[in-house]
Amino acid sequence: DAKTTQPTSMDCAEGRAANLPCNHSTISGNEYVYWYRQIHSQGPQYIIHGLKNNETNEMASLIITEDRKSSTLILPHATLRDTAVYYCIVRPGTGANNLFFGTGTRLTVIP
Amino acid sequence: DTGVSQDPRHKITKRGQNVTFRCDPISEHNRLYWYRQTLGQGPEFLTYFQNEAQLEKSRLLSDRFSAERPKGSFSTLEIQRTEQGDSAMYLCASSSQRTVGSIAFFGQGTRLTVV
Repeated sequence: DAKTTQPTSMDCAEGRAANLPCNHSTISGNEYVYWYRQIHSQGPQYIIHGLKNNETNEMASLIITEDRKSSTLILPHATLRDTAVYYCIVRPGTGANNLFFGTGTRLTVIP
Repeated sequence: DTGVSQDPRHKITKRGQNVTFRCDPISEHNRLYWYRQTLGQGPEFLTYFQNEAQLEKSRLLSDRFSAERPKGSFSTLEIQRTEQGDSAMYLCASSSQRTVGSIAFFGQGTRLTVV
């Protein structure tokens, strides 16, 4: 079921940008890239999603390569509250399919 | 606050007992999903409803598990004859078929402990 590959863990200094990579080399033309994060003992929180264009919202930016085989989630100024597990998921935008989470990247923001 | 509400937040039960969890989705969302998450793992899909119809079930959903969504609003997940291996966080999510990308929003989950 795994359609994405993410590093197991990453560290980032507080106040610096956190760049979380994701490989999705088998992505289909109708599949979006979604990012969620999960802070300990809470439900997953939606961050951002995109199809082929770069996207930005109040939480993060999503950079998708031109061939769509990989993407990077950017948290521009990481804070301690951004410490969480980050999941990159690909799924058709119709929403009729479930989200396959995998094990994600554990981001630790260091003071 | 994502708007998806789950009740209870925590449940401790003895092995062999039945338990039922409730999920109230975001009001305009017609799709509802149940996931299970064990320690150190990502959430795993259990089942999915579109309106009141249960359209997909994972092989993880054994015959002791049943989910319903009467009238296409709230949903319940029942586990009969609980086992210690059922101890996990049970997550509910909802989405709208009408929005681009059909983003799924999650509740805070129900943590089940079977003793």
